[in-house]
Amino acid sequence: QQPVQSPQAVILREGEDAVINCSSSKALYSVHWYRQKHGEAPIFLMILLKGGEQKGHDKISASFNEKKQQSSLYLTASQLSYSGTYFCGTGSGTYKYIFGTGTRLKVLA
Amino acid sequence: GAVVSQHPSRVICKSGTSVKIECRSLDFQATTMFWYRQFPKQSLMLMATSNEGSKATYEQGVEKDKFLINHASLTLSTLTVTSAHPEDSSFYICSASRLGSGELFFGEGSRLTVL
Repeated sequence: QQPVQSPQAVILREGEDAVINCSSSKALYSVHWYRQKHGEAPIFLMILLKGGEQKGHDKISASFNEKKQQSSLYLTASQLSYSGTYFCGTGSGTYKYIFGTGTRLKVLA
Repeated sequence: GAVVSQHPSRVICKSGTSVKIECRSLDFQATTMFWYRQFPKQSLMLMATSNEGSKATYEQGVEKDKFLINHASLTLSTLTVTSAHPEDSSFYICSASRLGSGELFFGEGSRLTVL
């Protein structure tokens, strides 16, 4: 079953913050986050392997709530380059990864 | 860093013909590769898991006789779309995971257009 992401789409002004949520109906062992530009392959952002783990680099961070089977991606002080579609990818014990429904993010100048 | 290369990046073919897409891991051995299909404005849908030296595992609803997957070596997996039809037109992406790393490395994707 495909993880559900919210919101489906968001428009920001440069410098604003955003949160993207990923919710799964299955138990999760890991959560990945990717950003995809139009017509390109997804680019890896980060992976969270443990419940309660939080990670971040630059102004992008994420958290993983294993009990709630949820993960959130936090974008702070957004830049134009953050525009794209964000996908969470979930692993459930095998090396098979299922991608979420996606969130389209557009940052305006 | 690890690199996965996919070829061709774009292919246009006539209905009824077969198309082969290659996925190579350039600097690591990939015992498992994954094939995804993505329609416009939609998410990546896992088609199959390709295992080196054994048969691929297909997701529900994916026709294994139509989408032939071969993983003959630790660095190469191929997807052949047989008897392609216009509804097979899509963006096909492969990925591989290096043992010990949870990260998925994606190929550049192949855009298939069937006329």
